Amino acid sequence: EDQVTQSPEALRLQEGESSSLNCSYTVSGLRGLFWYRQDPGKGPEFLFTLYSAGEEKEKERLKATLTKKESFLHITAPKPEDSATYLCAVRGFSGTYKYIFGTGTRLKVLA
Amino acid sequence: DGGITQSPKYLFRKEGQNVTLSCEQNLNHDAMYWYRQDPGQGLRLIYYSQIVNDFQKGDIAEGYSVSREKKESFPLTVTSAQKNPTAFYLCASSKGSREYQETQYFGPGTRLLVL
Repeated sequence: EDQVTQSPEALRLQEGESSSLNCSYTVSGLRGLFWYRQDPGKGPEFLFTLYSAGEEKEKERLKATLTKKESFLHITAPKPEDSATYLCAVRGFSGTYKYIFGTGTRLKVLA
Repeated sequence: DGGITQSPKYLFRKEGQNVTLSCEQNLNHDAMYWYRQDPGQGLRLIYYSQIVNDFQKGDIAEGYSVSREKKESFPLTVTSAQKNPTAFYLCASSKGSREYQETQYFGPGTRLLVL
């Protein structure tokens, strides 16, 4: 069964303290891995799509990497405005069109 | 400005009542999706549509219905058969369902509460 596990569930960082969020996945052939940012009471905002192991993408203080079993979202020198829940989702080659979502990592960056 | 709009932002349902959530997109996307988000759970797929006049059930379709009469619109009806409708409902769209077209973009959401 396709599955996504995100860790940690919650993370508190001081401003400027770099860290990484983990997304471990089990899927029958990875078709794509997706990262989103979600602020309270709002819809998820798209960040990155990764397709194959070894691929990396960057946007401002965020960098996403992908291996055959997991993805990391690295946050470099975070600011309080980076506080949000970060969601990971995968899509496999199983013939259906759905994403499998993790439950997210709640990030709080303290000034 | 291209994007996805959902209305209303908040919706209150009385027992036995059907309510309809609106989702409109002007991204010229073919595929549209409805998800339900509950605290502590990942987003769960209710229905999806790859093309106008066609839609398929997701993992939790019971108690919900949809239509796709126009490319831009994918309304979701929460029927009285849905016994636990309180949740945050998210609509999404993607260019298509093929590889490299499938990144989903989300609307702002509708919070449904039961009176």
